[in-house]
Amino acid sequence: TQLLEQSPQFLSIQEGENLTVYCNSSSVFSSLQWYRQEPGEGPVLLVTVVTGGEVKKLKRLTFQFGDARKDSSLHITAAQPGDTGLYLCALEGGADGLTFGKGTHLIIQP
Amino acid sequence: DTGVSQNPRHKITKRGQNVTFRCDPISEHNRLYWYRQTLGQGPEFLTYFQNEAQLEKSRLLSDRFSAERPKGSFSTLEIQRTEQGDSAMYLCASRSSPTNEKLFFGSGTQLSVL
Repeated sequence: TQLLEQSPQFLSIQEGENLTVYCNSSSVFSSLQWYRQEPGEGPVLLVTVVTGGEVKKLKRLTFQFGDARKDSSLHITAAQPGDTGLYLCALEGGADGLTFGKGTHLIIQP
Repeated sequence: DTGVSQNPRHKITKRGQNVTFRCDPISEHNRLYWYRQTLGQGPEFLTYFQNEAQLEKSRLLSDRFSAERPKGSFSTLEIQRTEQGDSAMYLCASRSSPTNEKLFFGSGTQLSVL
């Protein structure tokens, strides 16, 4: 089973700051998904990255897929309290189910 | 359509009791998935259905866990003889074929076993 490592595990910053979280694997993956999960809710898909070196933007969020397709990053510009949540990366598993990382718990303080 | 619906949202039970959770997927989605999420972890895949067929169940945590989707619409997840270690959030998700279609999650059922 391919494992995903996410870092940092926890991050607490002030509103307006920038941040980057990471997702890494020892193996090449064909595509990677990023989710955001709020407390007491299910994960919500943010983006899917497929091509090595790909960059996708979603408002203040920038997602990057590494050239070697073994890593990905999520950068948030000018973080807001509404960005608070658990950020998960995931890839399609062999049994047609997603394999998730442990996530990065992000807190944006006003 | 209001998305994937799970009931109950919260369940508290005593050790040794049986519990059943229900998931109503988005109506046109033929694939339905169950995941478990413990505190501080990402969701862990348990099983999935394509229509009424359960195509993968080897990742169910033990023989105390079972799932059904009898008519290819709603699904139930049952845990027999619950243990304290079963306490977790149980998430249901659905999507259309093929595999790379977007996966939609429900809000989950939070189980606490006392």
